[in-house]
Amino acid sequence: DAGVIQSPRHEVTEMGQEVTLRCKPISGHNSLFWYRQTMMRGLELLIYFNNNVPIDDSGMPEDRFSAKMPNASFSTLKIQPSEPRDSAVYFCASSFGGGAGGPNEQFFGPGTRLTVL
Amino acid sequence: SQQGEEDPQALSIQEGENATMNCSYKTSINNLQWYRQNSGRGLVHLILIRSNEREKHSGRLRVTLDTSKKSSSLLITASRAADTASYFCATEDNFNKFYFGSGTKLNVKP
Repeated sequence: DAGVIQSPRHEVTEMGQEVTLRCKPISGHNSLFWYRQTMMRGLELLIYFNNNVPIDDSGMPEDRFSAKMPNASFSTLKIQPSEPRDSAVYFCASSFGGGAGGPNEQFFGPGTRLTVL
Repeated sequence: SQQGEEDPQALSIQEGENATMNCSYKTSINNLQWYRQNSGRGLVHLILIRSNEREKHSGRLRVTLDTSKKSSSLLITASRAADTASYFCATEDNFNKFYFGSGTKLNVKP
């Protein structure tokens, strides 16, 4: 398996523009996580899906952020409009299990480095 | 917040020495995991310890868990320059939510 795939790897955009980050989880995994990592705040969980359903989005900073998982093999994280403080590395991770299925080991993608000017 | 805290924030040792990192958390957990992150890369899972376990080994890694103190430690024995990375603990609570700590930046000098 190719692992978790994220695109783009780097994104530079101007304030106010819409940004869409993409993630393809590992085939067969039923949980997907979006994280944001900055020097100031460390690694923050934004939202996670289980069986394509959003389970907890309490980490989503504000209404400018939205995430979807239309099927088991694809998810997007959208920021509209983007702001300079959104600059960070955004990671997608997937896992199999959780809940009655037992503990998860998360597999992380390489991340998308977002810079908002 | 459940977010774990690693201690120390940074650690610099010589190759061959042991490295010990600690993690503390706040509420009940299902399990605790340690991850490693090389600069500019995603996190890689190292080891998982369940809440009913006290110690676990994997190669040169040794993890302990003390649920009464809400703390865990990661010991890397006979460190190598290639172990240079940031190490994070992550706790999974009863709602399958993950909380990552702030990380320990380990530098192993050759």
